[in-house]
Amino acid sequence: GAGVSQTPSNKVTEKGKYVELRCDPISGHTALYWYRQSLGQGPEFLIYFQGTGAADDSGLPNDRFFAVRPEGSVSTLKIQRTERGDSAMYLCASSLDGPRTLRFGPGTRLTVL
Amino acid sequence: KQEVTQIPAALSVPEGENLVLNCSFTDSAIYNLQWFRQDPGKGLTSLLLIQSSQREQTSGRLNASLDKSSGRSTLYIAASQPGDSATYLCAPRNYGGSQGNLIFGKGTKLSVKP
Repeated sequence: GAGVSQTPSNKVTEKGKYVELRCDPISGHTALYWYRQSLGQGPEFLIYFQGTGAADDSGLPNDRFFAVRPEGSVSTLKIQRTERGDSAMYLCASSLDGPRTLRFGPGTRLTVL
Repeated sequence: KQEVTQIPAALSVPEGENLVLNCSFTDSAIYNLQWFRQDPGKGLTSLLLIQSSQREQTSGRLNASLDKSSGRSTLYIAASQPGDSATYLCAPRNYGGSQGNLIFGKGTKLSVKP
């Protein structure tokens, strides 16, 4: 596609529920990144994939957060037992050959009531 | 732990002015530093990337400088235009960190008035 797409654009859920956020990277981009941005803050790194494998998952805050990229293209960020503090904009990015070519999607705004 | 501070938090200028946005970081052991802009409702756009061995990078009306030893970077915008209105974020990458593991500041929200 022309750019990175993320679905849904908005997600409202109740505390304790499970949610999945999807990211479609630019075709051919081997690297994929997830970030979380709370209101008034800069993005916070969560996880980075190179191909199908997680090259760096040091930013995942706890074991309620998990991400997959089974075929090296689409990625899904999964959050179990959501908490109000998980409310944020979740940003996905992809790149072909490193950070210089980083392209971000528009984000998914998650609200946990 | 790397901490990134951006000053000012917000800036409003008339069109045509030259301006400087500041970024400071506490750990000078960085691999590179990137500047991004973020438009409301949209993702981030990478503007400039400076390697730790470089002093500055230029792209059009934008010039970014890096003084690694003092933990500072500046983004200079020449002849500002209303289309430059956005939030500008700096993000160093620490040595030992993966290419996605960027540490972002809170940003400077720029408003350029016609």
